[in-house]
Amino acid sequence: AQSVTQLGSHVSVSEGALVLLRCNYSSSVPPYLFWYVQYPNQGLQLLLKYTTGATLVKGINGFEAEFKKSETSFHLTKPSAHMSDAAEYFCAVTRGNTPLVFGKGTRLSVIA
Amino acid sequence: DGGITQSPKYLFRKEGQNVTLSCEQNLNHDAMYWYRQDPGQGLRLIYYSQIVNDFQKGDIAEGYSVSREKKESFPLTVTSAQKNPTAFYLCASSIAGSDEKLFFGSGTQLSVL
Repeated sequence: AQSVTQLGSHVSVSEGALVLLRCNYSSSVPPYLFWYVQYPNQGLQLLLKYTTGATLVKGINGFEAEFKKSETSFHLTKPSAHMSDAAEYFCAVTRGNTPLVFGKGTRLSVIA
Repeated sequence: DGGITQSPKYLFRKEGQNVTLSCEQNLNHDAMYWYRQDPGQGLRLIYYSQIVNDFQKGDIAEGYSVSREKKESFPLTVTSAQKNPTAFYLCASSIAGSDEKLFFGSGTQLSVL
């Protein structure tokens, strides 16, 4: 079975500081990995995804993530946090023939 | 504009009552999904459908039912057998193949009176 673990249910950073949200996955086959963002009382929007190819994936709003097979990780980063980045972030995994399995989410707060 | 429409935005259920959450998409997507979101629990899959007139149970299907009579529509019924229905319900769709991105509706908040 596939699963993802997001380390830290809440992360707080200062405006302009590095954002690092951690995600580790478990999958018996090469995974497809996703990061989604959710603003309050809304649905989720795709930030970025990794399927095959380049392990460093760039997404929207300046976010990127690196697939590290040896560490079974897919951490999300952004060099400089903006107030508008405050939201909940979800990591998700699939083998490609099954529905996405989501992590429990990490709430990001940005302090002025 | 293409997208997914969920209605109502807020719904209240009385004890012993069945309620139905609507999900409509005009993206021409084959696959549709229902997720339940509880604080601190992430999203958990209730049901999904990859083609009209066919659907599969997800991880937490007990107390829920669905139908997929039309490609555009995938309504979810929360039955009286679901003893803890209070949650935020999200509908999503995608083109065929689970490596494709999901498009989400804006959700329905269900509460018990």
